Amino acid sequence: TQLLEQSPQFLSIQEGENLTVYCNSSSVFSSLQWYRQEPGEGPVLLVTVVTGGEVKKLKRLTFQFGDARKDSSLHITAAQPGDTGLYLCAGPAGTALIFGKGTTLSVSS
Amino acid sequence: EAGVAQSPRYKIIEKRQSVAFWCNPISGHATLYWYQQILGQGPKLLIQFQNNGVVDDSQLPKDRFSAERLKGVDSTLKIQPAKLEDSAVYLCASSPLRAALSPLHFGNGTRLTVT
Repeated sequence: TQLLEQSPQFLSIQEGENLTVYCNSSSVFSSLQWYRQEPGEGPVLLVTVVTGGEVKKLKRLTFQFGDARKDSSLHITAAQPGDTGLYLCAGPAGTALIFGKGTTLSVSS
Repeated sequence: EAGVAQSPRYKIIEKRQSVAFWCNPISGHATLYWYQQILGQGPKLLIQFQNNGVVDDSQLPKDRFSAERLKGVDSTLKIQPAKLEDSAVYLCASSPLRAALSPLHFGNGTRLTVT
């Protein structure tokens, strides 16, 4: 059974700080996706990483896919209150997508 | 384009009662998913449809949960009878392709509370 483990589970920081959250698996994934979910809403796709070692940047967010395609990280530079939310990593399992339990990020001003 | 529509937004029922959720996916999206998200956890796949056929329902508790997607568009998810542990947000998602790289578009979910 493929599993995605995310850490930390909770993160509470001040505006302007940098942070990194992690997504790990014992299985190889052909790709990984990162979603952000705000309270009362469904998850929204941030990025898809496909190639081992790939780095993608989305404004202040930097996503990296591990060389062995078993792990990924999300780094946020100079966090803002608008970054608050649940960050989920997801990977394909068969024809569907499985999700990790997520990292709940709270950024206070 | 209009997003994935779900209703109702909230539902409170007593255990052993039945409940139904409705989902209207993005127009043209062939694949539809129902996920269950318990508070503080990631979404867990319940069932996946490709058009009006079931692709994967291996994690659907079939003794109490049922789902259908007649005509390959709208879908309903039913729970009968509900248990306390069914309290969760039920998310519907759709995608244009049944592929690993195809992003999922989620609705805002139905929050179910079973008392």
